[in-house]
Amino acid sequence: DAGITQSPRYKITETGRQVTLMCHQTWSHSYMFWYRQDLGHGLRLIYYSAAADITDKGEVPDGYVVSRSKTENFPLTLESATRSQTSVYFCASSANDYPSWNEQFFGPGTRLTVL
Amino acid sequence: EDKVVQSPLSLVVHEGDTVTLNCSYEVTNFRSLLWYKQEKKAPTFLFMLTSSGIEKKSGRLSSILDKKELFSILNITATQTGDSAVYLCAVIRGDDKIIFGKGTRLHILP
Repeated sequence: DAGITQSPRYKITETGRQVTLMCHQTWSHSYMFWYRQDLGHGLRLIYYSAAADITDKGEVPDGYVVSRSKTENFPLTLESATRSQTSVYFCASSANDYPSWNEQFFGPGTRLTVL
Repeated sequence: EDKVVQSPLSLVVHEGDTVTLNCSYEVTNFRSLLWYKQEKKAPTFLFMLTSSGIEKKSGRLSSILDKKELFSILNITATQTGDSAVYLCAVIRGDDKIIFGKGTRLHILP
């Protein structure tokens, strides 16, 4: 499918388990982002990537791991899930050429519940 | 600490009214400010602002940035029920990091 997709759309897991959220985009955008959205906090950046094999921490990176071996994929892993990681996770991408580098396109989100 | 503050947090108006949403920021190395509309799912892009005083317009929506006073406003004229959404403001720093406000929840009554 064209665009940016996330999987799974819904996930329930237990404390301590490892969970990987997938993000795939078909535009060959250089930049990709992971956000979490919680009530009262708005969107907060977890990690971002400027290109394949280049990642950097955002505002709330603790407890998360990312990788970017291919331009089109940007998986987010919770190595040992905690209840505080219950949230809606959004992946986004943007191009690397001015002026569109700031225009982010968002995936549909993954609702994660950690019991 | 960098921050983006939106006001009001929520707003209820009648269809046809004009609304103004505010976004103020304190961010080191400001690069640009973005507005998004979020309905039930993912945010969708509205505007990107990088220069002061230049109004961006799209239909009934318009936005302007004041880099001296560190704020932006989003105006919606002749509101419709379809404008009901959460409106997000975000600032991008020179190092590519993006900081979002908490959003303004707008509800349009028919």
